Amino acid sequence: QSALTQPASVSGSPGQSITISCTGTSSDVGGYNYVSWYQQHPGKAPKLMIYDVSERPSGVSNRFSGSKSANTASLTISGLQAEDEADYYCSSYTSSSTFVFGGGTSLTVL
Amino acid sequence: QVQLVESGGGFVKPGGSLRLSCAASGFSFSEYYMSWIRQAPGKGLEWLSYISSSGRTTYYADSVRGRFTISRDNAKNSLYLQMNSLRAEDTALYYCARDWGMSHLAWGQGTLVTVSS
Repeated sequence: QSALTQPASVSGSPGQSITISCTGTSSDVGGYNYVSWYQQHPGKAPKLMIYDVSERPSGVSNRFSGSKSANTASLTISGLQAEDEADYYCSSYTSSSTFVFGGGTSLTVL
Repeated sequence: QVQLVESGGGFVKPGGSLRLSCAASGFSFSEYYMSWIRQAPGKGLEWLSYISSSGRTTYYADSVRGRFTISRDNAKNSLYLQMNSLRAEDTALYYCARDWGMSHLAWGQGTLVTVSS
């Protein structure tokens, strides 16, 4: 199972919006509405930010939103804040009844 | 609150074995699927395996199938990962996670496994 494709890095200024893409295939991202997104600060465990493409767990800011079109999912963070600086990973359920992560995207808040 | 505490990591030589444990508390362990996920130093996340709430169903990533075995003891609120035939590329921080639908909602802090001669 090949890893999902994410940009290595993205950046934005405070208050701006950024979007991180996550590209897979019809066997994972495109085949199921089971894409999730995780935020990881240095030295910390990942935190679930988005599940089932666009749902937010309780307690996650509504500045975080998710979407999907064909084989590509996206995470958008609006009103960027310094605390959003972290690594972000997408994940998808697959046709093999397994999961696959993306390579991760480092977000820098300028 | 939900707490997951991994243990059992350490230093092992190539070809060796290790058994990781994950102690769960703060939720009804027997009702949830559980996963193991790892992160090599400076690298991204890699999903390894999940087990159904009853323990009857398990799935593995190609990279560990046949070498790693996931199991659970619902009476002890514990998840395990038996790792055999370890390789240098298995060096990583190993996380256990409580699954929620098709996502991993709660994570432990991880236990470090180092495979080196």
